[in-house]
Amino acid sequence: GQQLNQSPQSMFIQEGEDVSMNCTSSSIFNTWLWYKQDPGEGPVLLIALYKAGELTSNGRLTAQFGITRKDSFLNISASIPSDVGIYFCAGPGSARQLTFGSGTQLTVLP
Amino acid sequence: NAGVTQTPKFQVLKTGQSMTLQCAQDMNHNSMYWYRQDPGMGLRLIYYSASEGTTDKGEVPNGYNVSRLNKREFSLRLESAAPSQTSVYFCASSDLSAIYSPLHFGNGTRLTVT
Repeated sequence: GQQLNQSPQSMFIQEGEDVSMNCTSSSIFNTWLWYKQDPGEGPVLLIALYKAGELTSNGRLTAQFGITRKDSFLNISASIPSDVGIYFCAGPGSARQLTFGSGTQLTVLP
Repeated sequence: NAGVTQTPKFQVLKTGQSMTLQCAQDMNHNSMYWYRQDPGMGLRLIYYSASEGTTDKGEVPNGYNVSRLNKREFSLRLESAAPSQTSVYFCASSDLSAIYSPLHFGNGTRLTVT
């Protein structure tokens, strides 16, 4: 199946700092999705990208669909304590289903 | 609007016991999914049901069975639980209106097999 490499695995940042994380795939994608999972809950969709080069924002979050169609980036500006959680990228897998990256665990220190 | 509801929230089983995880969605979605989440491995697809009356294997189906009871409900059964099935299980649903429609997840069932 498709391989998604997500980095970094974990991040510890100070409140107010900006955050960047990325995902790369072993093949060309036509869709990138970014999810966030709060502790003890299921993942929730943050941003969906459907076009190479697309840049989409959702509040302080901005995601980009890489021009090569093999990568995607998620940036969080001016982090706050409620940004804590696991961030997952997702894209097309085998059998036309989604496949997920291994996640980036974000910790925001006061 | 409850979205996707999973029961139970927590379960402890002994090796060899069986159990069924329940999932129901109230969004009139056609497709439903079962994922497992293990530390450092993200979410892996166990089984999915593209529409009522159909089910298909995902990436890690061994040791599991599923039933799409109706459009709303999709259950996951462990016939003989093993410690390797200790995990957090998530049910999800999506609309078929677009390929790779975003998934809506429940809050998970935390299963421990001793």
